[in-house]
Amino acid sequence: AQSVTQLDSQVPVFEEAPVELRCNYSSSVSVYLFWYVQYPNQGLQLLLKYLSGSTLVKGINGFEAEFNKSQTSFHLRKPSVHISDTAEYFCAVRGLFGGYNKLIFGAGTRLAVHP
Amino acid sequence: KAGVTQTPRYLIKTRGQQVTLSCSPISGHRSVSWYQQTPGQGLQFLFEYFSETQRNKGNFPGRFSGRQFSNSRSEMNVSTLELGDSALYLCASSLGLSDYEQYFGPGTRLTVT
Repeated sequence: AQSVTQLDSQVPVFEEAPVELRCNYSSSVSVYLFWYVQYPNQGLQLLLKYLSGSTLVKGINGFEAEFNKSQTSFHLRKPSVHISDTAEYFCAVRGLFGGYNKLIFGAGTRLAVHP
Repeated sequence: KAGVTQTPRYLIKTRGQQVTLSCSPISGHRSVSWYQQTPGQGLQFLFEYFSETQRNKGNFPGRFSGRQFSNSRSEMNVSTLELGDSALYLCASSLGLSDYEQYFGPGTRLTVT
């Protein structure tokens, strides 16, 4: 079965420090990969996406992610975080699963940036 | 351009009742998808509508249904509500069917008592 695993449920980090949020997926078919951010009491906002081409993808707010096919990973990174980056981050995979084209989400990683 | 709007934002219902949630997509977007978000199950795909037809669906019971109108607005209906249906219901719109860039609304918080 297809799945998306976010290895850390919570990541505490100090302001201006680098951060990496990890995501692994399991799928034997071609998939497309996404990272979304959710601020409290809001919907989801697309940070970045990998559809094809360069494996290093740059997104909004200084985030980037690297697609690694051999390790089936799509980790999200930011070299220097701000207090305002405190939010929940979701990795997602879109593909044909069970005959339907679906977007499947990981459980989420809560990023807490401390001053 | 206005974003995706969902109404109502908050709703309290009793077990056994039914509920209808509404979603207005971004102007020009023809596809609408619905998701359920709960602390226990996370974000789960319900279904996707395009041109007034359900095109993709997740693994939810038949109590969950939806429809899309000719102006692309969509409604989601849950009948015979259960306590476990308490969740944040998110709607997302995109330009076309299975488009890879989805724009999410703020959600409707449903509480079933």
